[in-house]
Amino acid sequence: SAVISQKPSRDICQRGTSLTIQCQVDSQVTMMFWYRQQPGQSLTLIATANQGSEATYESGFVIDKFPISRPNLTFSTLTVSNMSPEDSSIYLCSAKNPGQTYGYTFGSGTRLTVV
Amino acid sequence: AQKVTQAQTEISVVEKEDVTLDCVYETRDTTYYLFWYKQPPSGELVFLIRRNSFDEQNEISGRYSWNFQKSTSSFNFTITASQVVDSAVYFCALGGFKTIFGAGTRLFVKA
Repeated sequence: SAVISQKPSRDICQRGTSLTIQCQVDSQVTMMFWYRQQPGQSLTLIATANQGSEATYESGFVIDKFPISRPNLTFSTLTVSNMSPEDSSIYLCSAKNPGQTYGYTFGSGTRLTVV
Repeated sequence: AQKVTQAQTEISVVEKEDVTLDCVYETRDTTYYLFWYKQPPSGELVFLIRRNSFDEQNEISGRYSWNFQKSTSSFNFTITASQVVDSAVYFCALGGFKTIFGAGTRLFVKA
């Protein structure tokens, strides 16, 4: 299975600023996903990121707020823009494991607190 | 629509007790995957098991076992002889092109 390095692991940010979260995969993967986990809640898919095309966003999430880059098959970033306290969450990236139909690996998560 | 229901919000047990976490899913797909993940207090998501819709054999891995029943759309997870280190939030998930997560069950194992 792929291994994902996600950073930062945690951050405390001022409202109105932006934070970029990075995920580096140790192998080439076609599909990567970004999830948000609000405090005490389950994981919600933000978007699917494929290399060479724009990310596909789920209902309730927009590119201006959560721009995503996927410059190659091993890397992706998610930016949380113009942050407010409501953006305080854990953000996780995920990748579809090469050669597996529905095998996914998750990064270790970024715990974001907006003050 | 796809949906995963974990009706148990929190479960508290004493160490060495057995505990079963329930998961019921809804999907119209004929091919799908079911997952269980563990999320300890540190926040990372730890993969436990993946089961495809064509394989209804129950699985045992050490103290963990899973009971997949397609007839009732359930994929329950049992921890035998629970330990304090099992304390975590456990998520059941339904996978196709996208993965849909249940709300999670928070398990407290007391010494």
